[in-house]
Amino acid sequence: NAGVTQTPKFRVLKTGQSMTLLCAQDMNHEYMYWYRQDPGMGLRLIHYSVGEGTTAKGEVPDGYNVSRLKKQNFLLGLESAAPSQTSVYFCASSLGGGPYTEAFFGQGTRLTVV
Amino acid sequence: DAKTTQPNSMESNEEEPVHLPCNHSTISGTDYIHWYRQLPSQGPEYVIHGLTSNVNNRMASLAIAEDRKSSTLILHRATLRDAAVYYCILRDLTSGTYKYIFGTGTRLKVLA
Repeated sequence: NAGVTQTPKFRVLKTGQSMTLLCAQDMNHEYMYWYRQDPGMGLRLIHYSVGEGTTAKGEVPDGYNVSRLKKQNFLLGLESAAPSQTSVYFCASSLGGGPYTEAFFGQGTRLTVV
Repeated sequence: DAKTTQPNSMESNEEEPVHLPCNHSTISGTDYIHWYRQLPSQGPEYVIHGLTSNVNNRMASLAIAEDRKSSTLILHRATLRDAAVYYCILRDLTSGTYKYIFGTGTRLKVLA
């Protein structure tokens, strides 16, 4: 099993450009999450999904959109990239939403907006 | 959401036990205590979780205080590969958002 796979691993964008980050999981998990990690700030939740066709806002959703058209994929979109969106992005998935379930994380996407 | 407090950094000698503390004085009865760690340039990975009783697995042990206001992650013999940032997280089903809320964690340095 590959687990959680993020594409791409690195990307440089110019301000105002758009892009989509892809997260794919092969564990048949219901829940998926997008986080961003900035130096000294830990991980912050951007958006999450509790099942195919559903999405919800996390702590820092502004400037991002998401879609979960297929259970195994969770897409994070930046419509008009800004330098403040320079960060490392992590996708995660979990089997369910119970407080005892563990999350599996991808290896991250390092995004630089110039 | 209940909050956790951890020291910013700790050091340990290789092959010695490491006790990583976490305070969660506002924990509720439905909060599970989770620990994750993040190795350099990788995503976080699950270590262990518990509710009230102490827990052991192949990676570590989790000791939970009787009043549940603090917990300690125990690495029995630290290796250089255990150098990472360790996060203590509370998971609460009743909040309805099913979030994993990460703080800044404890950066563990293991000395050879």
